[in-house]
Formats: sequence, structure tokens, C-alpha cells
Amino acid sequence: GENVEQHPSTLSVQEGDSAVIKCTYSDSASNYFPWYKQELGKGPQLIIDIRSNVGEKKDQRIAVTLNKTAKHFSLHITETQPEDSAVYFCAARADYFGNEKLTFGTGTRLTIIP
Amino acid sequence: KAGVTQTPRYLIKTRGQQVTLSCSPISGHRSVSWYQQTPGQGLQFLFEYFSETQRNKGNFPGRFSGRQFSNSRSEMNVSTLELGDSALYLCASSLESSTDTQYFGPGTRLTVL
Repeated sequence: GENVEQHPSTLSVQEGDSAVIKCTYSDSASNYFPWYKQELGKGPQLIIDIRSNVGEKKDQRIAVTLNKTAKHFSLHITETQPEDSAVYFCAARADYFGNEKLTFGTGTRLTIIP
Repeated sequence: KAGVTQTPRYLIKTRGQQVTLSCSPISGHRSVSWYQQTPGQGLQFLFEYFSETQRNKGNFPGRFSGRQFSNSRSEMNVSTLELGDSALYLCASSLESSTDTQYFGPGTRLTVL
């Protein structure tokens, strides 16, 4: 089955600096890669996603890059703000019939230092 | 549009009991997936329901079951609770299938004593 590894597990950055979180996946058939942000006491919230036919996607301060050859994808947050502090999860999904499920990374706790 | 709602938000049970959790998807969404989140195992897929039928299943024992109603609302049941079942149970809904974007609810925090 799919295996997703996520690094680092914790990350502290100064407010205004950039943060980068990296994930690798094992199943070459995976074609959908979402990123979720989870704040304390809440469920994961989708912040950006990318499909395998695209190499990069950007939404304001957030961007995701995908390298299908190397089987890794990354989340980039620029000009970080205190409200960016949360746990971030990457995930991957391969659309095998009867096995369309998200496999999540282990999460990165991001702390923005004011 | 209202988001995914889950009830109850918190639950305390003892070993051996059973529990039923409820999830109401976003209006118009027909697929509901369930996940278990624990500090040790992270987010793990339990199962997915669509049109009242289980369409995908994760690697959990038969004590974990679910169902979906004609209005797309879903319930999951855990029988013969074990201490290790203590977790945050998350429900996610998507439009037609689990290949569409999934939106999560706030979760139900289950504590087994």
C-alpha cells in the first residue's frame, strides 16, 4: 500500500520568514496530493492540493510543488504569520477502484515565533 | 453552506461498551469517509460510504462498522471498546466520490477508560 513520509516533525520559524515541509510517497500511481492544516480542537482543513498533471500550484502565500519522478512534494509558506501556527499534514491518493483512500503523513507542528 | 458536523463532540466510555458516532456531510455531498486520529498512528482511514454502501475499507477489525442513510448522513459504531480505541474520530465528506476533495468535520473525541 501507499506510504507517505513527512519531514520535519516540528518546525519553528520567525514571523515573516518562509517555512517548507516535505513529503515523499511510495506508490507511483498516486495522482492527488492535498495539504491540510489542523488547529487545536479542530478537524483538518484543506489549504491547497495538487494533481499529478501539474508541477506547481500557488495560492497567495502558500505554494505546493510536485516532483513525480522523485515521488516527493513540498509545501511552501512565505511571509509567515502567527496564525500559520498549526499542525500540517500532507496526503497522497491513488485512484485504484475500491481503494481510493487518502494516506496521510505523520504531520509537522509549525510554530511561528513573533 | 454549513460544514461537516459531527456529534457528539466528546464521549467517555468504559472498556467493553459500544459507541455510535454521527456525521452529517455538507449539503449535496454524497460520499462520507471516516478516519481515526491518534498521536501514535496519525490519521488512518477507516471506511468510506456512498449511496448507503460501503465502497472502501481500511485495515481495522470488524468491531469498527458504519452505515449511511438515504440523506447521506453516516454513523460509525465501535463495539467491545478497548483502551486503544481512544482517539479523535474524524468524518470527511466529498461531492461524489472519495476522489473529490474531502472536507473534514471537527471530530468526536472518544476516551475509553
